[in-house]
Formats: sequence, C-alpha cells, structure tokens
Amino acid sequence: EPEVTQTPSHQVTQMGQEVILRCVPISNHLYFYWYRQILGQKVEFLVSFYNNEISEKSEIFDDQFSVERPDGSNFTLKIRSTKLEDSAMYFCASNSPYSGNTIYFGEGSWLTVV
Amino acid sequence: AQSVAQPEDQVNVAEGNPLTVKCTYSVSGNPYLFWYVQYPNRGLQFLLKYITGDNLVKGSYGFEAEFNKSQTSFHLKKPSALVSDSALYFCAVRDGGNNRLAFGKGNQVVVIP
Repeated sequence: EPEVTQTPSHQVTQMGQEVILRCVPISNHLYFYWYRQILGQKVEFLVSFYNNEISEKSEIFDDQFSVERPDGSNFTLKIRSTKLEDSAMYFCASNSPYSGNTIYFGEGSWLTVV
Repeated sequence: AQSVAQPEDQVNVAEGNPLTVKCTYSVSGNPYLFWYVQYPNRGLQFLLKYITGDNLVKGSYGFEAEFNKSQTSFHLKKPSALVSDSALYFCAVRDGGNNRLAFGKGNQVVVIP
C-alpha cells in the first residue's frame, strides 16, 4: 500500500540552526500538508500546499517556516532559525480528490531543539 | 472555524468488553469526520471516516463509528476490545470546503488483560 515517507525520523539541532524536514507524499496525490504535535498536545495544522503554492497556513506558520516542492516527488519543510519551542513531532501528509478525501500521514520526524 | 472535543483523557476497558471513545465536533459547513490511531512512537494511522451516506461507518481492525448530526457526535466503537487496541485515538474534522483538519486532544485507550 502506498505511504507517505519522512526523513529524518529524529533530528537534534541547536537553537538558531536551520532544519529541513523531508517528505515523499503518495505519488498520485495533489495536496500536501505539514502538521506538528508538541509532546502531550494535540496535532496542529501548519500549512497546506497545492499546485506549487501554499493554499492555507495557520498562525503557527510564521516567517521562520517555509515549504517547497523542489522536484516531482519531495516536499520539504524548512525552519530557518529553530527555537526551543519548535521541538515537536512534525507530520507530513497528503491526499487527493481521488483518495476519498482521506488525508494520509507519514510516520513523523521528531525534532529536538537544544 | 472547525473544532473537535474529546472529553475524556483516558479510557480504560477490560479486554473483551465494548470500547467507546467519544467525539463531538463543530463546523460551519458539512463535516468530514475521521478517526486516527497513534501507537507509541509511530505516526497517525487512518482508521475510518464519514463523508456522506450511511451514518454507521466501518473501518480497520473491527472499529466502527456512528455519525449523529443532531448531537454533532462521531463516537468510535469496537464491540470487543483487544490488548493490542491500546493506543492514542484522535478524532478529526474538516469542513467540506477546505482541506485543513482540526484534531481533538486525543484519548489514551488502555485495554486491561
């Protein structure tokens, strides 16, 4: 069964450093997302991406964050200058109008900012 | 804005007993409702959804959920719980007009052998 894959599974970075989280969405999906889950808290929407542009973003997704689809398969989340409060599990997700509106999530990337 | 409430923090149930995890939602348009399960240190795994049609939907691993429009609820149920069902369960909703999912805080289900 096709799945969303994410790398790295876990990354430790120093405060102020740039981080790039990578995702390969399901191949025929058209909509891509990033969500995050701070430890012990609910899963929060960050951004959605369609047709090579951001379609929606939350108040969390400030100027420190950016997304890109550099080629036909990858979808990346960049955090420009990490803060301690960016420590979280980051989930990539994708869906298609033809997937019955189900949004499929990857296994997540644990980001620890020290 | 859409939102989800999962009123209980933890649900304890004995193995073999029925399991219910409660969820109520709020959306401005037609609700698209989902349940996801998260096992320790794993991602979110899709269980089932309601988009339209029959109010009772069946999903993976013997789970089902009932959409109740008048009560704005979408409770998850399983007739006979297994120890392996112990996990964190998230209810989520989106308005039919957008793709943004709003999640509840999650319910930890503990199935006692």
